[in-house]
Amino acid sequence: DTAVSQTPKYLVTQMGNDKSIKCEQNLGHDTMYWYKQDSKKFLKIMFSYNNKELIINETVPNRFSPKSPDKAHLNLHINSLELGDSAVYFCASSPSEGDRATNEKLFFGSGTQLSVL
Amino acid sequence: DQQVKQNSPSLSVQEGRISILNCDYTNSMFDYFLWYKKYPAEGPTFLISISSIKDKNEDGRFTVFLNKSAKHLSLHIVPSQPGDSAVYFCAASAGTALIFGKGTTLSVSS
Repeated sequence: DTAVSQTPKYLVTQMGNDKSIKCEQNLGHDTMYWYKQDSKKFLKIMFSYNNKELIINETVPNRFSPKSPDKAHLNLHINSLELGDSAVYFCASSPSEGDRATNEKLFFGSGTQLSVL
Repeated sequence: DQQVKQNSPSLSVQEGRISILNCDYTNSMFDYFLWYKKYPAEGPTFLISISSIKDKNEDGRFTVFLNKSAKHLSLHIVPSQPGDSAVYFCAASAGTALIFGKGTTLSVSS
């Protein structure tokens, strides 16, 4: 029973298209995240939501828009895709009401490999 | 600007020996540190963590050491097993988002 699931696993698309990646967690966590792993292998935080509210919005182009319909879902919509958007995108979740040892432990999905041609 | 650095991209160790993975950080506001392990085509999974008020935390074969004055932490795996072969990410937090290093690929040969 997958704890954090994201779809699709692979996404190949043309420049200029709009695409979405969906993420769902069944852990009952309050906080969800999107991370991007680029070609240099860095895992960089993009967004963080707590109970459907945006908490962290790092320097990410406006073409990226997260949407959280409820606290179990955090979807990522990308407009006007560019070559540089090619990366692996990871969704993650964590609790928010425990101690640091609990709240800092992120649970990741298996990633979405986005290739923009 | 890399706040968390893992300067060794790869490490090869024989089964049964010790693996030592290193991590340096620059931000003195970081007060919680974690190690994640990642297999190909999977997301990172939590391995072990340490608070800045401690200098050592142990969990089975895994021990994390923290040297705050040097802004350095290390992960020791003893004894190393072939199933430990994976990418290991160091991460640090100042209470907001986790900041990750680039990872070190560990290969354990039998």
